[in-house]
Amino acid sequence: TQLLEQSPQFLSIQEGENLTVYCNSSSVFSSLQWYRQEPGEGPVLLVTVVTGGEVKKLKRLTFQFGDARKDSSLHITAAQTGDTGLYLCAGLRNTGNQFYFGTGTSLTVIP
Amino acid sequence: EPEVTQTPSHQVTQMGQEVILRCVPISNHLYFYWYRQILGQKVEFLVSFYNNEISEKSEIFDDQFSVERPDGSNFTLKIRSTKLEDSAMYFCASSEVRDQPQHFGDGTRLSIL
Repeated sequence: TQLLEQSPQFLSIQEGENLTVYCNSSSVFSSLQWYRQEPGEGPVLLVTVVTGGEVKKLKRLTFQFGDARKDSSLHITAAQTGDTGLYLCAGLRNTGNQFYFGTGTSLTVIP
Repeated sequence: EPEVTQTPSHQVTQMGQEVILRCVPISNHLYFYWYRQILGQKVEFLVSFYNNEISEKSEIFDDQFSVERPDGSNFTLKIRSTKLEDSAMYFCASSEVRDQPQHFGDGTRLSIL
C-alpha cells in the first residue's frame, strides 16, 4: 500500500514554463517535507510544512500543505534547467518515527 | 553547514557475506534512520533509532538487519547474510527531534554479486 502518491510521475517541460507537482494521501500527517534528489546523491531537504493551509515560498518554488494535512503541492515558476531532478514528498504521521516517502516526480527541464 | 556522512560510498560484496554500512549523523541530532532505495524505485524506510534503541522498523527490516550506535558518533547498519535483492542505495538520516526534518547523507551504493 502506497501511503503518499505523487503525480505526475514524470514531467518534461521547456525552460521558462510553470509546473505543479502533487502529493496526495488519505492519511493525515503532522508534517510534510519536500526533498530534491540528484542521481547518486541523497535527498536534499527543500522545505517542511506543518500547519494545514500553510504556504511557503523558496525563490521560484511555492509549497502548500492542504487544509486537512493530507496533501501538498509544489509549484515551480519559470522553471530552469537547474531544477531538473527527482522531487520527493515525505510525511510524518502523528504517531511513530517513520517518514513515508512519496513515489517521486522526475522533472526534466529542457533548455 | 553540518552534514550526515556515510562510508563507504560504494560497497561490493559477495552474496552471503556480512556487510556493515557506516554513518556519522549530525552531532546534536538525537534521532537516526536508515532508508533503502532500490534502483529506479522509491525511498523505503528501514528503521529509526532513538535513545540507543530501535523505535520503529518496517517489514523490510527483518532478522538479517541490525543497527548499532557503537560510540557517540557512529551509527551502523549491519546486514548479516546478504542477498542479491539487498543491492540498493542505503541512506542514513538524522534529525534533532522526532518531528523535525531529516537530513540525509549521500548514501552507500551496495552491490551484491
